[in-house]
Amino acid sequence: AQKVTQAQTEISVVEKEDVTLDCVYETRDTTYYLFWYKQPPSGELVFLIRRNSFDEQNEISGRYSWNFQKSTSSFNFTITASQVVDSAVYFCALSDTFNFNKFYFGSGTKLNVKP
Amino acid sequence: DGGITQSPKYLFRKEGQNVTLSCEQNLNHDAMYWYRQDPGQGLRLIYYSQIVNDFQKGDIAEGYSVSREKKESFPLTVTSAQKNPTAFYLCASSKDRGRDIQYFGAGTRLSVL
Repeated sequence: AQKVTQAQTEISVVEKEDVTLDCVYETRDTTYYLFWYKQPPSGELVFLIRRNSFDEQNEISGRYSWNFQKSTSSFNFTITASQVVDSAVYFCALSDTFNFNKFYFGSGTKLNVKP
Repeated sequence: DGGITQSPKYLFRKEGQNVTLSCEQNLNHDAMYWYRQDPGQGLRLIYYSQIVNDFQKGDIAEGYSVSREKKESFPLTVTSAQKNPTAFYLCASSKDRGRDIQYFGAGTRLSVL
């Protein structure tokens, strides 16, 4: 069965600290896609990144970086030098070929960045 | 600007009343989705549509109905059969199915009076 687990319900850090959000997924498929979304207090989910199962290269975008490891079924997200504006709920999601129409969302990690 | 517009932002429902949430997109996307989000939880899929005049039930379709008469519009009706409708409702669209990025609207917060 497909499943996404975000074990960290809430994390609090002080501004400028680095923080890593964990995401562990389950799927029997060999072709799948992983996503991260940010949900600020306004409510709208904002797309951050998509990764396919054949591309294990880590990705860096400014202060954001993602570590994809198939061996541990993890797709972790790190924010370097966190800022107050990073405060939000972050969701990891999985889509595979068994059901192309479905995203399996994790329960989200709420990040609080304090000044 | 291209995007997804949900209205209203806040909605109140009385007992026994049906209410309709609007979702419009001008991204020329084929697929559209409705999700429900409860406090502290992830998103659960209510309905999705791959193409005009076609839609499929998601994981929690009971008490909800949808239509897809136009490519750009995918309204959701919360019927009186939905006994616990208080939640945050998010509409999304994607160019194609599944693997494509889903883009989200700003959501509608529904409460029961």
